[in-house]
Amino acid sequence: ETGVTQTPRHLVMGMTNKKSLKCEQHLGHNAMYWYKQSAKKPLELMFVYSLEERVENNSVPSRFSPECPNSSHLFLHLHTLQPEDSALYLCASSQERTAPQHFGDGTRLSIL
Amino acid sequence: ILNVEQSPQSLHVQEGDSTNFTCSFPSSNFYALHWYRWETAKSPEALFVMTLNGDEKKKGRISATLNTKEGYSYLYIKGSQPEDSATYLCASANSNSGYALNFGKGTSLLVTP
Repeated sequence: ETGVTQTPRHLVMGMTNKKSLKCEQHLGHNAMYWYKQSAKKPLELMFVYSLEERVENNSVPSRFSPECPNSSHLFLHLHTLQPEDSALYLCASSQERTAPQHFGDGTRLSIL
Repeated sequence: ILNVEQSPQSLHVQEGDSTNFTCSFPSSNFYALHWYRWETAKSPEALFVMTLNGDEKKKGRISATLNTKEGYSYLYIKGSQPEDSATYLCASANSNSGYALNFGKGTSLLVTP
């Protein structure tokens, strides 16, 4: 139990669907992150929120839309995804910039 | 070095062996170096965060060193056990990168009895 919970664990969707990934942290951390893990590639940072403000956006296509309604919850809204978006999506949180990040178990996303 | 490089890519050792692997990272504007352990079907788990040149950290049989001037960190595992089997990730941050961590591809360690 890492204190970071992601749902769903697995998601299969068509390219025209709209779905959302959810992340919740129970650690009282101030920063939350979305990462993408594709096969044979390093973890790629997608978005960072600090105190509910987006502070990093790593040139992610607009078909990925993050939302951070409060410091404990983070969403990743998905629409019109492409097959190359199939990957493991990890959420993480940290107390501050240099602190260790605590990861969820991830959502395995498959685009048909 | 622009990216974080980890070597070897994979490693297979016998139980009881000691092992080490390397993380190379950009040394300019260095801010912090993270090590994580990622076991199959689990989430990455933080091992160390290191910020000072010459720093050495230890957690049980695992230790790490940091050289910020030349841009490398070593992770050592003493007396490897099967439960140490995992992918070990390092990630660096520089003073211009905000919250962003730049991850390497990891070293995959397999320890067999």
